[in-house]
Amino acid sequence: ELKVEQNPLFLSMQEGKNYTIYCNYSTTSDRLYWYRQDPGKSLESLFVLLSNGAVKQEGRLMASLDTKARLSTLHITAAVHDLSATYFCAVDTSGDMRFGAGTRLTVKP
Amino acid sequence: EAQVTQNPRYLITVTGKKLTVTCSQNMNHEYMSWYRQDPGLGLRQIYYSMNVEATDKGDVPEGYKVSRKEKRNFPLILESPSPNQTSLYFCASTSTGGSWISGELFFGEGSRLTVL
Repeated sequence: ELKVEQNPLFLSMQEGKNYTIYCNYSTTSDRLYWYRQDPGKSLESLFVLLSNGAVKQEGRLMASLDTKARLSTLHITAAVHDLSATYFCAVDTSGDMRFGAGTRLTVKP
Repeated sequence: EAQVTQNPRYLITVTGKKLTVTCSQNMNHEYMSWYRQDPGLGLRQIYYSMNVEATDKGDVPEGYKVSRKEKRNFPLILESPSPNQTSLYFCASTSTGGSWISGELFFGEGSRLTVL
């Protein structure tokens, strides 16, 4: 059974600091997604990683995928308050989509 | 505007009273899916559909039914709701490339269901 584990589940950061969120999964897949959810809102897509070694960057966020290690990372550079949200990774195996429990990120001034 | 529309957005019902949550997308997506979100558990997939007349169980299908008679619609049916189905439900869709998903999911706004 596919399991997806994120850590940390809670992350409190100072503005300007860097940090990494980790997403481990238990079975072979080369399709991994990162989503953001603001409080009371729906989910919006951040990154789609479709092959081993894929790296994508958008602003202060960078995501990577290592399918051999079954690991994806979401790196935050010089955090700002606007990045405060819950971040989810998700792994797909032919339509069967499993999400991590989410990382609640709070960026403090 | 490209969107996934869920109805109702909020519903309070009683145990055993059948209900349907509708989901419609206007992006001609082949893939549609339902999730429930509970605190500390992330999103858990209930059912998914790779195309019309093709549905599969996700992680937590017990107590739910779905149908996919048309490409744009994917209703979630709770035949006999129970309090443990109180949750926030999301519908999502995306395109496919044969037997795999080819892009990110587009989510509806969510439906908050309370079963008393």
